[in-house]
Amino acid sequence: DVKVTQSSRYLVKRTGEKVFLECVQDMDHENMFWYRQDPGLGLRLIYFSYDVKMKEKGDIPEGYSVSREKKERFSLILESASTNQTSMYLCASSLGGAYNSPLHFGNGTRLTVT
Amino acid sequence: DQQVKQNSPSLSVQEGRISILNCDYTNSMFDYFLWYKKYPAEGPTFLISISSIKDKNEDGRFTVFLNKSAKHLSLHIVPSQPGDSAVYFCAAISGNTPLVFGKGTRLSVIA
Repeated sequence: DVKVTQSSRYLVKRTGEKVFLECVQDMDHENMFWYRQDPGLGLRLIYFSYDVKMKEKGDIPEGYSVSREKKERFSLILESASTNQTSMYLCASSLGGAYNSPLHFGNGTRLTVT
Repeated sequence: DQQVKQNSPSLSVQEGRISILNCDYTNSMFDYFLWYKKYPAEGPTFLISISSIKDKNEDGRFTVFLNKSAKHLSLHIVPSQPGDSAVYFCAAISGNTPLVFGKGTRLSVIA
């Protein structure tokens, strides 16, 4: 069974801090994604990666960056946290090759920026 | 512009009855559709999918119907159970672009 692990369930950070959200998957998936979920807005794609060292902007990349140095790990970086980045962050992975391969999600990190 | 729309933010259904969750899309290039279920404090989990070459796919209590001409799909849950209470997300994909999600519908199944 695919496991996507997000390093923290809850985080509280101060405005202006640099924040790292870590995600690891154990099924050798090529594709990895970062979403945020907000009430009334659903799941919005921040960044995604189809291969190591590769990254693509999603729908809302402003204020974020990512790093994928190894296939199994995809990190989301908030360069200077702001209160409007308070949200639930969800990491996901999927098999490459089949574009309709279902996403497997982690349990999320609830980030609060004060 | 929202490409995948779930116009009902919430739905309440009695246990044992049918739940029907609706989803509309605007992009005619979408050729594969998925439903995800999300419980609080957990990540979404894949539920069922359908290819655009089909109009129905069934998996146990869950059936997804696709009406391409209307750009509409629906998820039917029969019979509904209290454990089905969750947020349901409709999602669509075309080619090598990432999934596009709707805003979700919160289903409450009342015992």
